[in-house]
Amino acid sequence: AQKITQTQPGMFVQEKEAVTLDCTYDTSDPSYGLFWYKQPSSGEMIFLIYQGSYDQQNATEGRYSLNFQKARKSANLVISASQLGDSAMYFCAMREVPNDYKLSFGAGTTVTVRA
Amino acid sequence: NAGVMQNPRHLVRRRGQEARLRCSPMKGHSHVYWYRQLPEEGLKFMVYLQKENIIDESGMPKERFSAEFPKEGPSILRIQQVVRGDSAAYFCASSPNTLRRETQYFGPGTRLLVL
Repeated sequence: AQKITQTQPGMFVQEKEAVTLDCTYDTSDPSYGLFWYKQPSSGEMIFLIYQGSYDQQNATEGRYSLNFQKARKSANLVISASQLGDSAMYFCAMREVPNDYKLSFGAGTTVTVRA
Repeated sequence: NAGVMQNPRHLVRRRGQEARLRCSPMKGHSHVYWYRQLPEEGLKFMVYLQKENIIDESGMPKERFSAEFPKEGPSILRIQQVVRGDSAAYFCASSPNTLRRETQYFGPGTRLLVL
C-alpha cells in the first residue's frame, strides 16, 4: 500500500501568490514524522520543513508552512509569496516506527511559477 | 561545514560493467542512507549503514548490489554487471543519529546511465 500520496502531478502558480501542495499519508503508528523536500532541476534534494505527529502546532519555516490535519492524515505544504526560484519538484516523505530511519517518499508534485 | 558529497555526479556504464558510487557524509554524521530515484518517481530506500555495519539493506536488490561504510573513507554503493534498468539517480543522505526529528541531509546524487 502506498504510504505517501501526492495527487497533483503538476501545478502552475503566479509569482507572489501562495500555492498548496497536497500530501496524504497512511500509517497505523501513532508516532511518525513528516518531511517536505524540494528538488530543483539541478537534481539535489533540499530539506524544507518537518512536522512531528505529536507536535501541537503546525510547522513553519520562512515562506513554507505545513498544514497538518492529523485526523485526515494530511500534511499539505503551503508556499507563500511564490518566487521564480520555487519552480521545482516537491516531495512529501514520512518516517514511522519501526525502522524510523527509513523515509518513504511520494511521487512528487512539479510546481512551475509564472512571472 | 560541507554538506553530503557524492561522486561522481554523472556516471555512464555499458551493460555488464561495474558502477561504484561514493558518498561522504556531513562532518559529525555517522549514519548513511542510500536511496534510488527512477525517472518520474519518488526516492526509494535502499540501505542504511553505520560505520562498518549494514543496519538495514531491505530495499536493496539481493543480487549485484552491495554497500559498505568503512571505518575510514566514504560509503560505497557498488553495482556489479549493470543492466539498463539500473539507470537512475542514486542519492546518499546522512544524519548524526536516528532520532525521529532528525533530518536526513541529502547529497547532490549520482546519475547513472547504463547504455
